[in-house]
Amino acid sequence: KQEVTQIPAALSVPEGENLVLNCSFTDSAIYNLQWFRQDPGKGLTSLLLIQSSQREQTSGRLNASLDKSSGRSTLYIAASQPGDSATYLCAVRASGGSYIPTFGRGTSLIVHP
Amino acid sequence: DTGVSQNPRHKITKRGQNVTFRCDPISEHNRLYWYRQTLGQGPEFLTYFQNEAQLEKSRLLSDRFSAERPKGSFSTLEIQRTEQGDSAMYLCASSLGINQPQHFGDGTRLSIL
Repeated sequence: KQEVTQIPAALSVPEGENLVLNCSFTDSAIYNLQWFRQDPGKGLTSLLLIQSSQREQTSGRLNASLDKSSGRSTLYIAASQPGDSATYLCAVRASGGSYIPTFGRGTSLIVHP
Repeated sequence: DTGVSQNPRHKITKRGQNVTFRCDPISEHNRLYWYRQTLGQGPEFLTYFQNEAQLEKSRLLSDRFSAERPKGSFSTLEIQRTEQGDSAMYLCASSLGINQPQHFGDGTRLSIL
Protein backbone atom coordinates (compact mmCIF):
# COMPACT_ATOMS: atom_id res chain seq x y z
CA LYS A 1 0.00 0.00 0.00
CA GLN A 2 1.35 3.40 -1.00
CA GLU A 3 2.09 5.78 1.87
CA VAL A 4 2.81 9.46 1.33
CA THR A 5 4.55 11.61 3.96
CA GLN A 6 5.01 15.36 3.88
CA ILE A 7 7.63 17.12 5.95
CA PRO A 8 7.47 19.53 7.65
CA ALA A 9 3.86 19.47 8.80
CA ALA A 10 3.93 23.21 9.38
CA LEU A 11 6.24 26.05 8.43
CA SER A 12 6.27 29.75 9.29
CA VAL A 13 8.70 32.03 7.45
CA PRO A 14 9.22 35.73 6.78
CA GLU A 15 8.37 37.10 3.39
CA GLY A 16 11.08 36.75 0.75
CA GLU A 17 12.53 33.43 1.86
CA ASN A 18 13.07 30.55 -0.54
CA LEU A 19 11.32 27.40 0.65
CA VAL A 20 11.55 23.66 0.11
CA LEU A 21 8.62 21.39 0.89
CA ASN A 22 9.15 17.65 0.90
CA CYS A 23 7.00 14.72 -0.18
CA SER A 24 8.12 11.13 0.19
CA PHE A 25 6.38 7.96 -0.95
CA THR A 26 7.01 4.30 -0.19
CA ASP A 27 6.27 2.65 -3.55
CA SER A 28 8.38 3.99 -6.41
CA ALA A 29 6.12 2.45 -9.06
CA ILE A 30 4.24 5.66 -9.68
CA TYR A 31 2.46 7.03 -12.73
CA ASN A 32 2.70 10.69 -11.82
CA LEU A 33 2.84 13.10 -8.88
CA GLN A 34 0.81 16.27 -8.49
CA TRP A 35 1.29 19.22 -6.13
CA PHE A 36 -1.69 21.23 -4.90
CA ARG A 37 -2.39 24.15 -2.62
CA GLN A 38 -5.47 24.35 -0.44
CA ASP A 39 -6.78 27.51 1.17
CA PRO A 40 -8.92 27.19 4.33
CA GLY A 41 -12.42 25.90 3.59
CA LYS A 42 -11.68 25.55 -0.11
CA GLY A 43 -10.93 22.82 -2.58
CA LEU A 44 -7.51 22.02 -3.98
CA THR A 45 -5.81 24.09 -6.65
CA SER A 46 -3.47 22.25 -8.98
CA LEU A 47 0.07 23.66 -9.04
CA LEU A 48 2.29 21.22 -10.92
CA LEU A 49 2.01 17.72 -12.37
CA ILE A 50 5.13 15.62 -12.92
CA GLN A 51 4.92 12.47 -15.01
CA SER A 52 7.01 9.48 -13.90
CA SER A 53 9.39 9.99 -16.85
CA GLN A 54 10.08 13.63 -15.90
CA ARG A 55 12.55 15.00 -13.38
CA GLU A 56 11.06 18.44 -12.79
CA GLN A 57 8.37 20.95 -13.70
CA THR A 58 8.36 24.71 -13.30
CA SER A 59 5.64 27.31 -13.13
CA GLY A 60 6.54 30.86 -12.22
CA ARG A 61 8.14 30.87 -8.77
CA LEU A 62 7.39 27.19 -8.26
CA ASN A 63 9.64 24.28 -9.17
CA ALA A 64 8.85 20.66 -8.43
CA SER A 65 11.35 17.84 -8.76
CA LEU A 66 10.87 14.09 -8.74
CA ASP A 67 13.32 11.34 -7.81
CA LYS A 68 11.44 8.08 -8.20
CA SER A 69 14.30 5.84 -7.14
CA SER A 70 14.52 7.51 -3.73
CA GLY A 71 10.75 8.02 -3.46
CA ARG A 72 10.95 11.78 -3.09
CA SER A 73 9.59 14.97 -4.56
CA THR A 74 10.33 18.52 -3.52
CA LEU A 75 8.41 21.71 -4.15
CA TYR A 76 10.60 24.78 -4.25
CA ILE A 77 8.97 28.17 -3.73
CA ALA A 78 11.16 31.14 -4.60
CA ALA A 79 10.82 34.54 -2.96
CA SER A 80 7.83 33.61 -0.80
CA GLN A 81 4.95 36.07 -0.39
CA PRO A 82 2.11 36.32 2.16
CA GLY A 83 -0.27 35.17 -0.59
CA ASP A 84 1.57 31.85 -0.65
CA SER A 85 0.16 31.04 2.79
CA ALA A 86 -1.86 27.85 2.41
CA THR A 87 -1.60 24.10 2.88
CA TYR A 88 0.44 22.34 0.22
CA LEU A 89 -0.40 18.74 -0.62
CA CYS A 90 1.21 16.18 -2.86
CA ALA A 91 -0.65 13.29 -4.46
CA VAL A 92 1.00 10.21 -5.90
CA ARG A 93 -0.80 8.22 -8.56
CA ALA A 94 0.19 4.57 -8.56
CA SER A 95 0.96 2.69 -11.73
CA GLY A 96 0.14 -0.94 -12.42
CA GLY A 97 -3.57 -0.79 -13.04
CA SER A 98 -5.24 1.07 -10.20
CA TYR A 99 -4.02 4.63 -10.78
CA ILE A 100 -5.68 5.69 -7.54
CA PRO A 101 -4.13 8.89 -6.12
CA THR A 102 -2.77 8.81 -2.56
CA PHE A 103 -2.42 12.13 -0.78
CA GLY A 104 -0.10 13.26 1.96
CA ARG A 105 -1.40 15.24 4.95
CA GLY A 106 0.10 18.43 3.64
CA THR A 107 2.44 21.15 4.84
CA SER A 108 0.75 24.18 6.36
CA LEU A 109 2.69 27.27 5.28
CA ILE A 110 2.45 30.75 6.77
CA VAL A 111 4.43 33.56 5.18
CA HIS A 112 4.36 36.64 7.34
CA PRO A 113 5.12 40.16 6.12
CA ASP B 1 -13.58 26.43 -18.57
CA THR B 2 -15.91 27.20 -15.68
CA GLY B 3 -14.23 24.87 -13.21
CA VAL B 4 -15.66 22.03 -11.13
CA SER B 5 -18.87 22.98 -9.37
CA GLN B 6 -20.20 21.32 -6.22
CA ASN B 7 -23.55 21.80 -4.53
CA PRO B 8 -24.50 22.42 -1.85
CA ARG B 9 -21.46 24.06 -0.23
CA HIS B 10 -22.68 23.17 3.23
CA LYS B 11 -25.11 20.57 4.49
CA ILE B 12 -26.26 20.18 8.08
CA THR B 13 -28.46 17.22 8.86
CA LYS B 14 -29.54 15.00 11.70
CA ARG B 15 -28.09 11.57 12.20
CA GLY B 16 -30.01 8.95 10.28
CA GLN B 17 -31.09 11.23 7.44
CA ASN B 18 -30.11 10.73 3.80
CA VAL B 19 -28.09 13.35 1.94
CA THR B 20 -27.16 13.81 -1.70
CA PHE B 21 -24.37 15.93 -3.16
CA ARG B 22 -23.91 16.99 -6.75
CA CYS B 23 -20.75 17.56 -8.78
CA ASP B 24 -20.56 19.18 -12.20
CA PRO B 25 -17.12 18.51 -13.71
CA ILE B 26 -15.30 20.58 -16.26
CA SER B 27 -16.96 19.88 -19.57
CA GLU B 28 -15.22 17.25 -21.70
CA HIS B 29 -13.45 15.79 -18.65
CA ASN B 30 -14.16 12.09 -18.85
CA ARG B 31 -12.79 11.18 -15.42
CA LEU B 32 -14.55 12.19 -12.22
CA TYR B 33 -13.36 11.46 -8.68
CA TRP B 34 -14.94 11.69 -5.24
CA TYR B 35 -12.83 12.17 -2.11
CA ARG B 36 -13.49 12.70 1.57
CA GLN B 37 -11.32 14.99 3.68
CA THR B 38 -11.31 15.45 7.44
CA LEU B 39 -9.51 18.16 9.38
CA GLY B 40 -5.74 17.92 9.18
CA GLN B 41 -5.78 15.07 6.69
CA GLY B 42 -5.27 14.81 2.97
CA PRO B 43 -8.19 13.78 0.76
CA GLU B 44 -9.06 10.08 0.84
CA PHE B 45 -10.18 8.47 -2.38
CA LEU B 46 -13.78 7.18 -2.45
CA THR B 47 -14.62 6.33 -6.05
CA TYR B 48 -14.10 7.36 -9.63
CA PHE B 49 -15.84 7.27 -12.98
CA GLN B 50 -14.63 7.15 -16.52
CA ASN B 51 -17.53 8.59 -18.45
CA GLU B 52 -20.61 6.88 -16.94
CA ALA B 53 -18.77 3.76 -15.75
CA GLN B 54 -17.83 3.54 -12.07
CA LEU B 55 -14.43 1.89 -12.30
CA GLU B 56 -13.24 1.69 -8.74
CA LYS B 57 -14.58 2.06 -5.22
CA SER B 58 -12.59 2.39 -2.03
CA ARG B 59 -13.20 0.15 0.96
CA LEU B 60 -14.12 3.41 2.71
CA LEU B 61 -17.27 3.44 0.63
CA SER B 62 -19.65 1.41 2.77
CA ASP B 63 -23.02 0.12 1.58
CA ARG B 64 -24.58 3.37 2.78
CA PHE B 65 -22.71 5.28 0.08
CA SER B 66 -23.67 5.27 -3.57
CA ALA B 67 -22.46 7.33 -6.48
CA GLU B 68 -23.78 7.76 -9.98
CA ARG B 69 -22.77 9.55 -13.13
CA PRO B 70 -25.64 9.24 -15.57
CA LYS B 71 -24.74 10.05 -19.15
CA GLY B 72 -21.16 10.72 -18.15
CA SER B 73 -21.83 14.33 -17.17
CA PHE B 74 -22.62 15.41 -13.59
CA SER B 75 -22.31 13.01 -10.68
CA THR B 76 -24.17 12.53 -7.41
CA LEU B 77 -22.96 11.04 -4.16
CA GLU B 78 -25.64 9.82 -1.77
CA ILE B 79 -25.14 8.85 1.85
CA GLN B 80 -27.98 6.94 3.47
CA ARG B 81 -28.65 6.76 7.21
CA THR B 82 -25.91 9.27 8.01
CA GLU B 83 -23.68 8.73 11.05
CA GLN B 84 -21.54 11.12 13.10
CA GLY B 85 -18.43 9.75 11.44
CA ASP B 86 -19.67 10.91 8.04
CA SER B 87 -19.00 14.52 8.99
CA ALA B 88 -16.31 15.68 6.58
CA MET B 89 -15.62 17.70 3.47
CA TYR B 90 -16.62 15.82 0.33
CA LEU B 91 -14.54 16.83 -2.67
CA CYS B 92 -15.06 16.19 -6.34
CA ALA B 93 -12.36 16.38 -9.00
CA SER B 94 -12.26 15.85 -12.74
CA SER B 95 -9.55 15.31 -15.31
CA LEU B 96 -9.19 14.79 -19.03
CA GLY B 97 -7.24 11.58 -18.51
CA ILE B 98 -4.90 9.71 -16.18
CA ASN B 99 -1.90 11.74 -17.33
CA GLN B 100 -3.69 15.05 -16.96
CA PRO B 101 -4.00 17.12 -13.76
CA GLN B 102 -7.00 16.76 -11.51
CA HIS B 103 -9.08 19.88 -10.96
CA PHE B 104 -11.07 20.13 -7.75
CA GLY B 105 -14.30 21.81 -6.75
CA ASP B 106 -14.64 23.70 -3.47
CA GLY B 107 -16.32 20.75 -1.81
CA THR B 108 -19.46 20.12 0.22
CA ARG B 109 -19.01 20.31 3.97
CA LEU B 110 -21.28 17.85 5.74
CA SER B 111 -22.10 18.26 9.42
CA ILE B 112 -24.08 15.58 11.24
CA LEU B 113 -25.92 16.74 14.36
